[in-house]
Amino acid sequence: EPEVTQTPSHQVTQMGQEVILRCVPISNHLYFYWYRQILGQKVEFLVSFYNNEISEKSEIFDDQFSVERPDGSNFTLKIRSTKLEDSAMYFCASSPDRGRHSPLHFGNGTRLTVT
Amino acid sequence: QKEVEQNSGPLSVPEGAIASLNCTYSDRVSQSFFWYRQYSGKSPELIMSIYSNGDKEDGRFTAQLNKASQYVSLLIRDSQPSDSATYLCAVNKGAQKLVFGQGTRLTINP
Repeated sequence: EPEVTQTPSHQVTQMGQEVILRCVPISNHLYFYWYRQILGQKVEFLVSFYNNEISEKSEIFDDQFSVERPDGSNFTLKIRSTKLEDSAMYFCASSPDRGRHSPLHFGNGTRLTVT
Repeated sequence: QKEVEQNSGPLSVPEGAIASLNCTYSDRVSQSFFWYRQYSGKSPELIMSIYSNGDKEDGRFTAQLNKASQYVSLLIRDSQPSDSATYLCAVNKGAQKLVFGQGTRLTINP
């Protein structure tokens, strides 16, 4: 079964550094998402992306964050000037369409640790 | 009021029994509801989706939706130790912006 793949599985960075989290969505999917989950807390929506532009973003997704689809397969989340509170699991997800009944398929996540 | 509320548990159920997980949501216009299972340190895995009032069955799992009461539940029959996980209720707020509950931690005791 096709799956969403994320790299790296674990990223450690120092406060103030920039990180790029990478995702390869399922090949025929058109809608891409980033969610995050701080340890012990709920999964939170960050951003949705379609047709090379952001469809919707949450209050969390401020100027520190950006997303990009640099080629036909990768979807990246860049976090500039990382802060301690950015430490979390970051999940990429994709769906074939935007229908409200279309489920999201999540990748295995990248654990980001900011020291 | 939280948008999606779940009892955080832990909920302990003996092996072979029925586990019942509950979720309430605040936005009455929500139309799509999902149950995800999350093992510790892993990503959410879709278990069930439901859109219409009533019950929807898939194997050992039954999702129940009552839009008038703004209530969604998940029943797991013949619970197995491998069902031990955190179960996340998620509501579609439109354009696939899912709002998740805190999750209910379920433990199946052999």
